[in-house]
Amino acid sequence: EAQVTQNPRYLITVTGKKLTVTCSQNMNHEYMSWYRQDPGLGLRQIYYSMNVEVTDKGDVPEGYKVSRKEKRNFPLILESPSPNQTSLYFCASSLSWGLNTEAFFGQGTRLTVV
Amino acid sequence: AQSVAQPEDQVNVAEGNPLTVKCTYSVSGNPYLFWYVQYPNRGLQFLLKYITGDNLVKGSYGFEAEFNKSQTSFHLKKPSALVSDSALYFCAVRAPGFQKLVFGTGTRLLVSP
Repeated sequence: EAQVTQNPRYLITVTGKKLTVTCSQNMNHEYMSWYRQDPGLGLRQIYYSMNVEVTDKGDVPEGYKVSRKEKRNFPLILESPSPNQTSLYFCASSLSWGLNTEAFFGQGTRLTVV
Repeated sequence: AQSVAQPEDQVNVAEGNPLTVKCTYSVSGNPYLFWYVQYPNRGLQFLLKYITGDNLVKGSYGFEAEFNKSQTSFHLKKPSALVSDSALYFCAVRAPGFQKLVFGTGTRLLVSP
């Protein structure tokens, strides 16, 4: 089954404790991205990757890191999480960065930083 | 800069009645427009898209959307709502030269029996 898989689905952590949210897709998609969803703000892009070893900042990159060593994986790293990073996170992939390809989303990771 | 507005936080409709979820956009150049739906505890699912061609686009689950260039709108519609359509709906736009989707703030659709 074609899918985007995120782990974990739920995470509660403490301020400053490094964490990684994994994302993997099995569709051989070139383009992957991370979003955060906050009430009243919709989805905002954190980082994106057009292909292996090519990543760039989205609208809200502060406090986050990403890497794209393999085509299928695009982990999101929070080196020193803070409470304002409490949010619902989504990973997405699409066939290419072309303009007319729809995105496939993971099921989300609900992160709480205390 | 590109932006999307969904003016209604929530839309209430009775089952069997037609529904409309509104979306307006602002981009430079020809827009590429998308609708996604989010069910509770799930990721976003693609519903439909407008790239070019017919202004009326048909998508999944009986939904359709009408692209109106003069009004810069892309409203989502369905002739007869189902209780199972209750969900959070997002409009998104991608403009030429930009690699990202810009999402609206979402509209919660509540269909009552």
